[in-house]
Amino acid sequence: DGGITQSPKYLFRKEGQNVTLSCEQNLNHDAMYWYRQDPGQGLRLIYYSQIVNDFQKGDIAEGYSVSREKKESFPLTVTSAQKNPTAFYLCASSPLLEPTSTDTQYFGPGTRLTVL
Amino acid sequence: KNQVEQSPQSLIILEGKNCTLQCNYTVSPFSNLRWYKQDTGRGPVSLTIMTFSENTKSNGRYTATLDADTKQSSLHITASQLSDSASYICVVSAYRSGAGSYQLTFGKGTKLSVIP
Repeated sequence: DGGITQSPKYLFRKEGQNVTLSCEQNLNHDAMYWYRQDPGQGLRLIYYSQIVNDFQKGDIAEGYSVSREKKESFPLTVTSAQKNPTAFYLCASSPLLEPTSTDTQYFGPGTRLTVL
Repeated sequence: KNQVEQSPQSLIILEGKNCTLQCNYTVSPFSNLRWYKQDTGRGPVSLTIMTFSENTKSNGRYTATLDADTKQSSLHITASQLSDSASYICVVSAYRSGAGSYQLTFGKGTKLSVIP
């Protein structure tokens, strides 16, 4: 899992509540990413950030929000607008925004969110 | 549309045996191809990264091959161990010249189970 931590590992919330997932990295990486993983599907990009105070929507950003106030931190908020929030959420980082042939993304251990 | 297809979807092998996982892609223009190992409930960990000019790359008992002409890659695992039980994810990177950025397309993964 490298130098990326995600907390909590398991999270339960009632339907209609917003919830924030934490992601911290000590790799001094500029770029950070949030992915969602559902059973039998590939990872899907939610949001990504290149630098502090800047972030861009990925393929499935609806119902999610992020912030990047510090280089080390990239929290993800799952809002009540997300219709199917139950999933495994993965945070990742890389030295540069767009992984090159010499770089790779380092993933955190993930947070499994269950909405009851 | 960029796609990455992996086969088989799941595989069960005896400890000590070899196996080969397949990855076919339609991603264009191709930049690089990565194989990740993901243990259940954990984040993916990078095994290999190959560019267009590389045909094979090894990481211990893992050997990845790439045929850029047929757009196929394989991951060969030698002398499997119980700890090899995991999902193996193929990821292909495409360079979007218009945006000056890379896009990652994730396969759904092959679930490997190594039994005693």
